[in-house]
Amino acid sequence: AQSVTQPDIHITVSEGASLELRCNYSYGATPYLFWYVQSPGQGLQLLLKYFSGDTLVQGIKGFEAEFKRSQSSFNLRKPSVHWSDAAEYFCARLEYGNKLVFGAGTILRVKS
Amino acid sequence: EAQVTQNPRYLITVTGKKLTVTCSQNMNHEYMSWYRQDPGLGLRQIYYSMNVEVTDKGDVPEGYKVSRKEKRNFPLILESPSPNQTSLYFCASGRDRGNVMNEQFFGPGTRLTVL
Repeated sequence: AQSVTQPDIHITVSEGASLELRCNYSYGATPYLFWYVQSPGQGLQLLLKYFSGDTLVQGIKGFEAEFKRSQSSFNLRKPSVHWSDAAEYFCARLEYGNKLVFGAGTILRVKS
Repeated sequence: EAQVTQNPRYLITVTGKKLTVTCSQNMNHEYMSWYRQDPGLGLRQIYYSMNVEVTDKGDVPEGYKVSRKEKRNFPLILESPSPNQTSLYFCASGRDRGNVMNEQFFGPGTRLTVL
């Protein structure tokens, strides 16, 4: 079955430091990939998505992600993290029937 | 404001007592879906609906029912809740014109505890 893997359960970074959250997807044709963020007590907000075209995707809140077919990865990056970025981040893949299949999530902590 | 609303936001109940979690969207979306979120498992789809009167099972449908009598509403029904249904539940909606859906909008979540 197709799947999405987020290898890091928790990540802690200092405010102002750069961030990279990892996401790997299993085999398949060109995947439709998403990154969502969930702030404490909130629903999920779409950060960015990749369907085709340019492999570097820009999103909201200063985030970007790069699709690398050779590595089956879609890692999320931000050059300078703010304390308000502390949240849980989910990578997801769109499958048949428009079902979103999510990774287990990565909890980001930001230390001042 | 375009949104997906869920009620209640928090619910504590006892085993076997039927409950319904409502979901409503005001974006005229054809597609609606329910997910549950559990630690270390991410979100898993329970049921989805492609349009009015069209529903289908997701990955974890056991113990749940849904209905889609109106386009805007997609209630989740637990006929006889059990403790393993304690979870955080999300409703989502999206525009489906027969092609790939480029975004799903999520509600704020309902935290359910079954004692």
